[in-house]
Amino acid sequence: AQTVTQSQPEMSVQEAETVTLSCTYDTSESDYYLFWYKQPPSRQMILVIRQEAYKQQNATENRFSVNFQKAAKSFSLKISDSQLGDAAMYFCASVSGGYQKVTFGTGTKLQVIP
Amino acid sequence: DTEVTQTPKHLVMGMTNKKSLKCEQHMGHRAMYWYKQKAKKPPELMFVYSYEKLSINESVPSRFSPECPNSSLLNLHLHALQPEDSALYLCASSQDRYRSNEKLFFGSGTQLSVL
Repeated sequence: AQTVTQSQPEMSVQEAETVTLSCTYDTSESDYYLFWYKQPPSRQMILVIRQEAYKQQNATENRFSVNFQKAAKSFSLKISDSQLGDAAMYFCASVSGGYQKVTFGTGTKLQVIP
Repeated sequence: DTEVTQTPKHLVMGMTNKKSLKCEQHMGHRAMYWYKQKAKKPPELMFVYSYEKLSINESVPSRFSPECPNSSLLNLHLHALQPEDSALYLCASSQDRYRSNEKLFFGSGTQLSVL
């Protein structure tokens, strides 16, 4: 069984500042992948970044990066130079064995203050 | 074209109505999914189609009936729904269901209200 926990229901950040969203997970699988998805008010879920569990190097995508701590089962998302368009609900997800075992966290609502 | 298109965007129906949700993608993806999302909750998987065959049904009530007429199209037929079925219904696709690192492409959803 997989569980994904996001302990911050809401976060806020000043525009141009940096914010970190937390995620912890638990899985019995040895082969798994971790994702951050963003859901803006338009409701469309958009992939932000993904991390293969077998890779030690943290994934980065422009202003988005992760801090993957495998032993601690932690997968946090750092957003640098926050922009107004970053305001959204962010979901952490764990996937293994194909999408039959995708598990989403409960989400963190990010507010960006001008 | 990297879009998943869902219609309608909003739907209001009575408990005795029959309606259908439609999802379309032209990315050549062979896996398509229906998710249900209640307000302020994460999406919950309902169905997975792989190569136009139903491969996963997450114990969804029979009042929801999925259909995949071809590789680009996914329907969700609704009949005799209950008010608690009111939610956002999201469709997604991926190139192949069997690779865990596959990116999911989501549509913008259909906001369903059952009166």
